[in-house]
Amino acid sequence: SQQGEEDPQALSIQEGENATMNCSYKTSINNLQWYRQNSGRGLVHLILIRSNEREKHSGRLRVTLDTSKKSSSLLITASRAADTASYFCATAPGGYQKVTFGTGTKLQVIP
Amino acid sequence: GAVVSQHPSRVICKSGTSVKIECRSLDFQATTMFWYRQFPKQSLMLMATSNEGSKATYEQGVEKDKFLINHASLTLSTLTVTSAHPEDSSFYICSATHTQGLETQYFGPGTRLLVL
Repeated sequence: SQQGEEDPQALSIQEGENATMNCSYKTSINNLQWYRQNSGRGLVHLILIRSNEREKHSGRLRVTLDTSKKSSSLLITASRAADTASYFCATAPGGYQKVTFGTGTKLQVIP
Repeated sequence: GAVVSQHPSRVICKSGTSVKIECRSLDFQATTMFWYRQFPKQSLMLMATSNEGSKATYEQGVEKDKFLINHASLTLSTLTVTSAHPEDSSFYICSATHTQGLETQYFGPGTRLLVL
């Protein structure tokens, strides 16, 4: 079974609103990463947060990690229509080992 | 920097033929390359991990004789789908990790395979 489960599966918001996506995982991790995928395209790396970090920011993105709850959240502030995409969390047990992707959240930002 | 390309971007073939997909790291040397398959509206499933100069490591349930992987150099890995069947139709995505930074994977744009 997949490592990560994300919710919601789909999210539709108005432009300018904030979007929050959650990811839960099952086993210990070294780091957790978030990726974006536009329809029918490859993945774009957004942000990596290590297991000893609790929060990380990158532009309009804010990621939190709670290792005690084995969960992470991705917040996109002031959303834009161009943010419309699927967002995946991916966990890695350590170093450069293979990552396991979550089920993804499909975000639609309505102009 | 850290650009990964895939070729072809889209391929349609007849059942029984073999299809080769190339994955190239354009501006960096890749220690490891990964091959994923993604079915419509689903997440990415890792098929195999490929290290330059050695045999690929396949995930459970992935037939190594059907999905041949060759990683001849630090910038090129190929996936060959042998004797393709309609159920092999999928979106195949490769990724590569930089020799200088092993944690982040850089993804190619994907190859959409349709087997008739």
